[in-house]
Amino acid sequence: DQQVKQNSPSLSVQEGRISILNCDYTNSMFDYFLWYKKYPAEGPTFLISISSIKDKNEDGRFTVFLNKSAKHLSLHIVPSQPGDSAVYFCAASEGNFNKFYFGSGTKLNVKP
Amino acid sequence: DTGVSQNPRHKITKRGQNVTFRCDPISEHNRLYWYRQTLGQGPEFLTYFQNEAQLEKSRLLSDRFSAERPKGSFSTLEIQRTEQGDSAMYLCASSTPSQSQHFGDGTRLSIL
Repeated sequence: DQQVKQNSPSLSVQEGRISILNCDYTNSMFDYFLWYKKYPAEGPTFLISISSIKDKNEDGRFTVFLNKSAKHLSLHIVPSQPGDSAVYFCAASEGNFNKFYFGSGTKLNVKP
Repeated sequence: DTGVSQNPRHKITKRGQNVTFRCDPISEHNRLYWYRQTLGQGPEFLTYFQNEAQLEKSRLLSDRFSAERPKGSFSTLEIQRTEQGDSAMYLCASSTPSQSQHFGDGTRLSIL
């Protein structure tokens, strides 16, 4: 019963272009969403989050969009840089932060 | 470095043996989480502590798994009578109530 899904296992983008990573969820009780970045042999690193009371949150080159009616969120990276190449996980919580559900990840490759 | 520390980084053991992993969270974080990650998947929630109290436990955590956080600081995760299916990366994360989780680099368990 995977409640958070990332249907694209990989994405390849040219340096300088926009990267769009997608995530879908099934549990309407989720009200807090996060994106993590993971390099090989390291633990995930927090990137950006959004509460369900918002539909957009921006931090530098990273923007997360939330569409509650579609139960969909996306992470936009613009402009993409080679150092952004990593696995990106989306995660969701019911707001009490007791338990987080993660997607299976999307491996982003930014080509120079 | 004051991040989340996990030891050992890699554990190789024979099937049927017991193993114990340790996690040292960021010192001011009262919340501590354990996750398991297998190849191609995102982290799966195992259990959560607030201070020394274990408040949430996944059904993934069978009777062979036990976690403790005796003084509300470091935590241990023990797996008894290990099985092939226990081979995975075990991740620990910590946070304050209003922050996102900070992950350690994990302990990779390999069952021979």
